[in-house]
Amino acid sequence: ETGVTQTPRHLVMGMTNKKSLKCEQHLGHNAMYWYKQSAKKPLELMFVYSLEERVENNSVPSRFSPECPNSSHLFLHLHTLQPEDSALYLCASSQDQGDNEQFFGPGTRLTVL
Amino acid sequence: AQKVTQAQTEISVVEKEDVTLDCVYETRDTTYYLFWYKQPPSGELVFLIRRNSFDEQNEISGRYSWNFQKSTSSFNFTITASQVVDSAVYFCALSEAESGGSNYKLTFGKGTLLTVNP
Repeated sequence: ETGVTQTPRHLVMGMTNKKSLKCEQHLGHNAMYWYKQSAKKPLELMFVYSLEERVENNSVPSRFSPECPNSSHLFLHLHTLQPEDSALYLCASSQDQGDNEQFFGPGTRLTVL
Repeated sequence: AQKVTQAQTEISVVEKEDVTLDCVYETRDTTYYLFWYKQPPSGELVFLIRRNSFDEQNEISGRYSWNFQKSTSSFNFTITASQVVDSAVYFCALSEAESGGSNYKLTFGKGTLLTVNP
């Protein structure tokens, strides 16, 4: 595997479900990001991790809970989501927190029923 | 506050036509970076170019070229002799070079959907 991978690619869940999105980067980078891409809206930065520490929480509701167990893996735990949370969730990584050249994964298309 | 505007929501061209995607940005900083990303139907954002605010030279890479004009705050992207494989959503983005290592913050435009028809 190379680059940034995300699983699952598609996810349908009910509002009471708990699920997790997984991101893995094979680039040796130290910073990882979660973005939300909704229809007709610009990409929104959700969370930033640098060396496994969260450095940014961009006013994201607590029903989204990130976890970064090591510099190669990033999770987004989902709980009691709303239909408006349906979107494409993109993971990205960069060499360091101060490096704005970010490499993106293919995303997880999430549908909340 | 920084802002990126891509006024063209959708563009449709026929193969081999040239097409220009517009990007206008707003920033108070004198040091910043501009980007273009391509998002094919598979979903992954593919990095195309990064340009810093001190380098106004136009860049050409194969059929792609970029025109950076600080006077008009624009960073337009031209595809020459378009091909069906160029069909994708293209995003322009801006990052301000803040001190303290926060210049990872990318502000994206809403994107332009380019459809190249055979």
